[in-house]
Amino acid sequence: GQQLNQSPQSMFIQEGEDVSMNCTSSSIFNTWLWYKQEPGEGPVLLIALYKAGELTSNGRLTAQFGITRKDSFLNISASIPSDVGIYFCAGQRETSGSRLTFGEGTQLTVNP
Amino acid sequence: GAVVSQHPSWVICKSGTSVKIECRSLDFQATTMFWYRQFPKQSLMLMATSNEGSKATYEQGVEKDKFLINHASLTLSTLTVTSAHPEDSSFYICSPYRGRGNTEAFFGQGTRLTVV
Repeated sequence: GQQLNQSPQSMFIQEGEDVSMNCTSSSIFNTWLWYKQEPGEGPVLLIALYKAGELTSNGRLTAQFGITRKDSFLNISASIPSDVGIYFCAGQRETSGSRLTFGEGTQLTVNP
Repeated sequence: GAVVSQHPSWVICKSGTSVKIECRSLDFQATTMFWYRQFPKQSLMLMATSNEGSKATYEQGVEKDKFLINHASLTLSTLTVTSAHPEDSSFYICSPYRGRGNTEAFFGQGTRLTVV
């Protein structure tokens, strides 16, 4: 079952606003990944994080690997309508090999 | 990123029939293949993990005789839903894994299965 708590579940924002979502866990993860999924499509990798404290950007997206290795956040700046979708965090634990544990997802709606 | 091709993107079948879903890694060899199922408004749930040339490992609650997985080569894996029922209707997604310390996971486009 899911062991990552992702929040918020959904967000309704105006175009141009910044967005922040996060994932927390009671377990330590070695890798944090952030994905975006659009309707009828598979998840697409946005950002991968490999070290505690790491802060990585991909255009208007910024994600950080928490110092405790038990959390991560994703920020989207100056949102645009095409940012609409479901955002998932996923983590890999040292003891689970390549298996991913997913968060419940954040549904983002951007009003023009 | 890696190129993953999953087919079909959608399929409608009658109850009792079987459906095969293909997943190909086009520009890399996948030592491991993960198959996920996703119900509406829910996250991805891992169904099974397969390694090339060996039997798949199924997650608790997933019937191995109903969801047949074949991973005969490093670039192709198939999931066959046998004797499908309406409750099997879901979005199925594959994720080939390159291994060798590469921790980034890529996904196929998904297959929407509707059983009527």
